[in-house]
Amino acid sequence: EADIYQTPRYLVIGTGKKITLECSQTMGHDKMYWYQQDPGMELHLIHYSYGVNSTEKGDLSSESTVSRIRTEHFPLTLESARPSHTSQYLCASSESPLETQYFGPGTRLLVL
Amino acid sequence: SQKIEQNSEALNIQEGKTATLTCNYTNYSPAYLQWYRQDPGRGPVFLLLIRENEKEKRKERLKVTFDTTLKQSLFHITASQPADSATYLCALDGDQTGANNLFFGTGTRLTVIP
Repeated sequence: EADIYQTPRYLVIGTGKKITLECSQTMGHDKMYWYQQDPGMELHLIHYSYGVNSTEKGDLSSESTVSRIRTEHFPLTLESARPSHTSQYLCASSESPLETQYFGPGTRLLVL
Repeated sequence: SQKIEQNSEALNIQEGKTATLTCNYTNYSPAYLQWYRQDPGRGPVFLLLIRENEKEKRKERLKVTFDTTLKQSLFHITASQPADSATYLCALDGDQTGANNLFFGTGTRLTVIP
């Protein structure tokens, strides 16, 4: 079982609220990722990081932001949530690029 | 970036039979290709990785083949069980920018009927 955690697992929030989705891993992996996945659809990479103080945007444009101050922690923030942000957000990590990715359980976000 | 196609959205097979799932890509050949399993409401779980210079990889009841000429990977589950019911995703590196990120297909939902 992979040691990567996400909180909260479920979040229902009103439009305009600021939210932070937490992701932590205890494997010491340098590379971390955030994906967005709608039901029955593919995973879309929205952010990734090569290591501390490194953050990059993925192939799917997102209004969210990320930070990487510590190796084990890669939080995602939405400054002002909107209904279009409703989705499942999955965090992952890998020891090196293109190697096996370990996924967290995901956060299912519903913005009303 | 890569375009990845996985055969039929859903595949139903009888318990005990072999399930075969297909993954096709359209652009440049990846350094390697991975298969993941995803259960409803959960994150994907890694199953197998096959490199471009490998033709076949096995792990217990799972077998993956990789044909760079056909730009295709086949994923087999032999002696399938109801517990194998899940969505199976293929993933491969999809761009040549050096970012080395994985691109995932939409997946094939497998149902094994008892």
